[in-house]
Amino acid sequence: GENVEQHPSTLSVQEGDSAVIKCTYSDSASNYFPWYKQELGKGPQLIIDIRSNVGEKKDQRIAVTLNKTAKHFSLHITETQPEDSAVYFCAARLSNFGNEKLTFGTGTRLTIIP
Amino acid sequence: GAGVSQSPSNKVTEKGKDVELRCDPISGHTALYWYRQSLGQGLEFLIYFQGNSAPDKSGLPSDRFSAERTGGSVSTLTIQRTQQEDSAVYLCASSLRGTTWGNTQYFGPGTRLTVL
Repeated sequence: GENVEQHPSTLSVQEGDSAVIKCTYSDSASNYFPWYKQELGKGPQLIIDIRSNVGEKKDQRIAVTLNKTAKHFSLHITETQPEDSAVYFCAARLSNFGNEKLTFGTGTRLTIIP
Repeated sequence: GAGVSQSPSNKVTEKGKDVELRCDPISGHTALYWYRQSLGQGLEFLIYFQGNSAPDKSGLPSDRFSAERTGGSVSTLTIQRTQQEDSAVYLCASSLRGTTWGNTQYFGPGTRLTVL
């Protein structure tokens, strides 16, 4: 089955700097890669996703890049703000009209230092 | 509109007791998933429901775990004879029916289960 590895497990950056979180996946058939943000006591919230037919996607301060050949994808947050502090999870999914279960990485705890 | 809701938000039980966790998906969402999040870990898939099809139970860790979905909407996850290792946050997610690329899964706030 699919296996997703995520690094780093913790990340601290100065407010205003950029943060990068990286994930690798094992199943080359996976074609959808979402990123979720989880704040304390809440469920994961989708912040951005990318499908395998594109290499990059941006949404304001957040971007995701995908390298299908190397089977890795990354989350980039620019101009970080204190409210970006949370745990971020990457995931991979094979969409096959059936069970679209997500396989998650183990999470990155991002701390923005004011 | 209303998102995915789960109840209770917290559940403390004694080892050996049975527990039931409830999930109300987003109205109109035909797919429903249960995941488990253990302390410091990522989310682990448990079970998947799609419409009236037989559920995919491939992620259930033991036969003490079961789930049902009534009327294609509300789902209940049942854990029998709870063990301390069952302590975790149980998350429910729902999405629209799958398409070529699949659909976004929206998560509820979770139920934190503590087995003493």
